[in-house]
Amino acid sequence: AQSVAQPEDQVNVAEGNPLTVKCTYSVSGNPYLFWYVQYPNRGLQFLLKYITGDNLVKGSYGFEAEFNKSQTSFHLKKPSALVSDSALYFCAVRDKGYGGSQGNLIFGKGTKLSVKP
Amino acid sequence: EPEVTQTPSHQVTQMGQEVILRCVPISNHLYFYWYRQILGQKVEFLVSFYNNEISEKSEIFDDQFSVERPDGSNFTLKIRSTKLEDSAMYFCASSGLVEQYFGPGTRLTVT
Repeated sequence: AQSVAQPEDQVNVAEGNPLTVKCTYSVSGNPYLFWYVQYPNRGLQFLLKYITGDNLVKGSYGFEAEFNKSQTSFHLKKPSALVSDSALYFCAVRDKGYGGSQGNLIFGKGTKLSVKP
Repeated sequence: EPEVTQTPSHQVTQMGQEVILRCVPISNHLYFYWYRQILGQKVEFLVSFYNNEISEKSEIFDDQFSVERPDGSNFTLKIRSTKLEDSAMYFCASSGLVEQYFGPGTRLTVT
Protein backbone atom coordinates (compact mmCIF):
# COMPACT_ATOMS: atom_id res chain seq x y z
CA ALA A 1 0.00 0.00 0.00
CA GLN A 2 1.12 3.55 -0.71
CA SER A 3 2.11 5.62 2.30
CA VAL A 4 4.00 8.71 3.35
CA ALA A 5 5.75 9.46 6.61
CA GLN A 6 6.56 12.81 8.15
CA PRO A 7 8.97 12.01 10.95
CA GLU A 8 8.81 15.42 12.67
CA ASP A 9 5.75 16.66 14.53
CA GLN A 10 7.22 20.15 14.70
CA VAL A 11 10.02 22.11 13.07
CA ASN A 12 11.25 25.35 14.60
CA VAL A 13 13.20 27.83 12.50
CA ALA A 14 14.38 31.40 12.94
CA GLU A 15 13.18 33.90 10.35
CA GLY A 16 15.66 34.24 7.52
CA ASN A 17 17.13 30.78 8.03
CA PRO A 18 16.61 27.92 5.58
CA LEU A 19 13.92 25.40 6.44
CA THR A 20 13.41 21.74 5.64
CA VAL A 21 10.31 19.68 6.33
CA LYS A 22 10.90 15.99 5.82
CA CYS A 23 8.81 13.42 4.01
CA THR A 24 9.52 9.86 2.98
CA TYR A 25 7.29 7.70 0.86
CA SER A 26 6.55 4.08 0.12
CA VAL A 27 4.90 3.30 -3.20
CA SER A 28 4.78 0.66 -5.84
CA GLY A 29 5.60 2.15 -9.20
CA ASN A 30 6.35 5.78 -9.91
CA PRO A 31 5.08 8.16 -7.25
CA TYR A 32 2.97 11.26 -7.66
CA LEU A 33 3.98 13.37 -4.66
CA PHE A 34 2.50 16.57 -3.28
CA TRP A 35 2.93 19.16 -0.57
CA TYR A 36 0.01 21.05 0.92
CA VAL A 37 -0.09 23.76 3.57
CA GLN A 38 -2.87 24.36 6.07
CA TYR A 39 -3.20 27.65 7.90
CA PRO A 40 -5.34 27.76 11.07
CA ASN A 41 -9.05 27.28 10.35
CA ARG A 42 -8.38 27.09 6.63
CA GLY A 43 -8.41 24.39 3.96
CA LEU A 44 -5.45 22.70 2.38
CA GLN A 45 -3.55 24.79 -0.14
CA PHE A 46 -1.61 23.11 -2.90
CA LEU A 47 2.10 24.05 -2.84
CA LEU A 48 3.82 21.82 -5.37
CA LYS A 49 3.93 18.42 -6.97
CA TYR A 50 6.36 15.91 -8.43
CA ILE A 51 5.27 13.65 -11.26
CA THR A 52 8.32 13.13 -13.39
CA GLY A 53 11.33 15.02 -14.71
CA ASP A 54 13.57 17.35 -12.76
CA ASN A 55 14.11 16.18 -9.19
CA LEU A 56 13.92 19.73 -7.85
CA VAL A 57 10.42 21.13 -8.18
CA LYS A 58 9.47 24.69 -7.43
CA GLY A 59 6.16 25.74 -6.02
CA SER A 60 4.21 28.57 -4.49
CA TYR A 61 5.53 31.13 -1.98
CA GLY A 62 9.20 30.33 -2.69
CA PHE A 63 8.95 26.70 -1.60
CA GLU A 64 10.69 23.88 -3.41
CA ALA A 65 11.01 20.15 -2.89
CA GLU A 66 13.63 17.63 -3.82
CA PHE A 67 12.63 14.20 -5.05
CA ASN A 68 15.21 11.57 -4.14
CA LYS A 69 14.39 8.15 -5.51
CA SER A 70 17.22 6.28 -3.79
CA GLN A 71 16.24 7.65 -0.39
CA THR A 72 12.49 7.60 -1.18
CA SER A 73 12.25 11.14 0.11
CA PHE A 74 10.49 14.31 -0.95
CA HIS A 75 11.63 16.99 1.50
CA LEU A 76 10.13 20.47 1.38
CA LYS A 77 12.59 23.35 1.49
CA LYS A 78 12.78 27.09 1.50
CA PRO A 79 16.03 29.09 1.46
CA SER A 80 14.81 31.84 3.78
CA ALA A 81 11.87 31.30 6.14
CA LEU A 82 9.27 33.93 6.92
CA VAL A 83 7.15 34.23 10.05
CA SER A 84 4.12 33.97 7.76
CA ASP A 85 5.26 30.48 6.70
CA SER A 86 4.20 29.19 10.12
CA ALA A 87 1.52 26.60 9.41
CA LEU A 88 0.84 22.88 9.19
CA TYR A 89 2.48 21.14 6.22
CA PHE A 90 1.26 17.89 4.74
CA CYS A 91 3.06 15.58 2.37
CA ALA A 92 0.83 13.36 0.23
CA VAL A 93 1.10 10.61 -2.35
CA ARG A 94 -1.53 9.78 -4.90
CA ASP A 95 -2.85 6.28 -4.55
CA LYS A 96 -3.43 4.08 -7.56
CA GLY A 97 -6.76 4.84 -9.15
CA TYR A 98 -9.33 2.18 -9.93
CA GLY A 99 -12.10 2.34 -12.43
CA GLY A 100 -12.54 5.95 -13.42
CA SER A 101 -10.68 7.31 -10.41
CA GLN A 102 -7.43 9.24 -10.63
CA GLY A 103 -6.54 7.97 -7.19
CA ASN A 104 -7.13 9.62 -3.86
CA LEU A 105 -4.45 11.34 -1.83
CA ILE A 106 -2.83 9.61 1.10
CA PHE A 107 -1.55 12.16 3.59
CA GLY A 108 1.18 12.15 6.17
CA LYS A 109 0.28 13.20 9.69
CA GLY A 110 1.52 16.73 9.14
CA THR A 111 4.41 18.79 10.45
CA LYS A 112 3.85 22.02 12.29
CA LEU A 113 6.31 24.66 11.14
CA SER A 114 7.00 27.48 13.53
CA VAL A 115 9.09 30.41 12.31
CA LYS A 116 10.16 32.84 15.01
CA PRO A 117 11.23 36.43 14.36
CA GLU B 1 -8.42 32.41 -9.52
CA PRO B 2 -11.10 29.72 -9.37
CA GLU B 3 -11.54 27.98 -6.06
CA VAL B 4 -13.55 25.27 -4.37
CA THR B 5 -16.22 26.62 -2.03
CA GLN B 6 -18.03 24.83 0.77
CA THR B 7 -21.11 25.60 2.84
CA PRO B 8 -21.78 25.85 5.67
CA SER B 9 -18.48 26.66 7.32
CA HIS B 10 -19.73 25.23 10.60
CA GLN B 11 -22.61 22.86 11.25
CA VAL B 12 -23.80 21.76 14.66
CA THR B 13 -26.23 18.85 14.77
CA GLN B 14 -27.63 16.39 17.24
CA MET B 15 -26.74 12.72 17.14
CA GLY B 16 -29.04 10.80 14.83
CA GLN B 17 -29.86 13.78 12.63
CA GLU B 18 -29.15 13.99 8.92
CA VAL B 19 -26.72 16.56 7.59
CA ILE B 20 -25.87 17.65 4.08
CA LEU B 21 -22.56 19.31 3.38
CA ARG B 22 -22.31 21.26 0.17
CA CYS B 23 -19.45 21.97 -2.17
CA VAL B 24 -19.02 23.81 -5.45
CA PRO B 25 -15.97 22.39 -7.22
CA ILE B 26 -13.88 24.26 -9.75
CA SER B 27 -16.02 24.46 -12.86
CA ASN B 28 -13.92 22.60 -15.43
CA HIS B 29 -12.81 19.84 -13.06
CA LEU B 30 -14.04 16.31 -13.59
CA TYR B 31 -12.96 14.50 -10.42
CA PHE B 32 -14.45 15.21 -7.03
CA TYR B 33 -13.53 14.04 -3.55
CA TRP B 34 -14.50 14.23 0.08
CA TYR B 35 -11.96 13.94 2.86
CA ARG B 36 -12.26 14.41 6.57
CA GLN B 37 -9.90 15.45 9.34
CA ILE B 38 -10.74 14.60 12.91
CA LEU B 39 -9.23 17.17 15.25
CA GLY B 40 -5.51 16.57 15.64
CA GLN B 41 -5.44 13.66 13.21
CA LYS B 42 -4.53 12.96 9.61
CA VAL B 43 -6.59 13.99 6.63
CA GLU B 44 -8.46 10.84 5.52
CA PHE B 45 -10.01 9.99 2.19
CA LEU B 46 -13.73 9.26 2.15
CA VAL B 47 -14.91 9.01 -1.43
CA SER B 48 -14.15 9.98 -5.02
CA PHE B 49 -16.69 10.72 -7.72
CA TYR B 50 -16.32 10.79 -11.48
CA ASN B 51 -18.75 10.70 -14.36
CA ASN B 52 -21.70 10.88 -12.00
CA GLU B 53 -20.81 7.88 -9.95
CA ILE B 54 -18.63 6.85 -7.04
CA SER B 55 -15.27 5.64 -8.31
CA GLU B 56 -13.68 4.75 -5.00
CA LYS B 57 -14.58 4.83 -1.34
CA SER B 58 -12.79 4.13 1.90
CA GLU B 59 -13.84 1.93 4.80
CA ILE B 60 -15.06 5.05 6.59
CA PHE B 61 -17.65 5.67 3.85
CA ASP B 62 -20.29 3.25 5.08
CA ASP B 63 -24.01 3.11 4.34
CA GLN B 64 -24.62 6.23 6.43
CA PHE B 65 -22.81 8.31 3.84
CA SER B 66 -23.86 9.23 0.34
CA VAL B 67 -22.73 11.69 -2.31
CA GLU B 68 -24.54 13.39 -5.10
CA ARG B 69 -23.96 15.88 -7.86
CA PRO B 70 -27.54 17.01 -8.23
CA ASP B 71 -27.26 19.84 -10.73
CA GLY B 72 -23.90 19.76 -12.48
CA SER B 73 -22.29 22.30 -10.16
CA ASN B 74 -22.94 21.31 -6.55
CA PHE B 75 -21.39 18.22 -4.99
CA THR B 76 -22.91 17.11 -1.72
CA LEU B 77 -22.05 14.75 1.09
CA LYS B 78 -24.95 13.44 3.14
CA ILE B 79 -24.63 11.73 6.48
CA ARG B 80 -27.91 10.01 7.14
CA SER B 81 -27.78 9.51 10.91
CA THR B 82 -24.89 11.31 12.52
CA LYS B 83 -22.81 9.84 15.31
CA LEU B 84 -20.58 11.60 17.81
CA GLU B 85 -17.53 10.21 16.03
CA ASP B 86 -18.57 11.96 12.80
CA SER B 87 -17.44 15.24 14.36
CA ALA B 88 -14.63 16.42 12.12
CA MET B 89 -13.61 18.90 9.47
CA TYR B 90 -14.91 17.78 6.08
CA PHE B 91 -13.04 18.90 3.00
CA CYS B 92 -14.25 18.78 -0.56
CA ALA B 93 -11.67 18.68 -3.34
CA SER B 94 -11.72 18.67 -7.11
CA SER B 95 -9.09 17.98 -9.71
CA GLY B 96 -8.46 18.30 -13.38
CA LEU B 97 -5.39 16.48 -14.60
CA VAL B 98 -3.31 15.96 -11.47
CA GLU B 99 -3.39 18.10 -8.35
CA GLN B 100 -6.42 18.33 -6.14
CA TYR B 101 -7.71 21.67 -4.94
CA PHE B 102 -9.40 21.78 -1.60
CA GLY B 103 -12.20 23.88 -0.22
CA PRO B 104 -11.99 25.65 3.14
CA GLY B 105 -13.87 22.85 4.88
CA THR B 106 -17.03 22.42 6.93
CA ARG B 107 -16.57 21.86 10.62
CA LEU B 108 -19.21 19.35 11.71
CA THR B 109 -19.95 19.12 15.40
CA VAL B 110 -22.26 16.32 16.53
CA THR B 111 -23.64 16.71 20.06
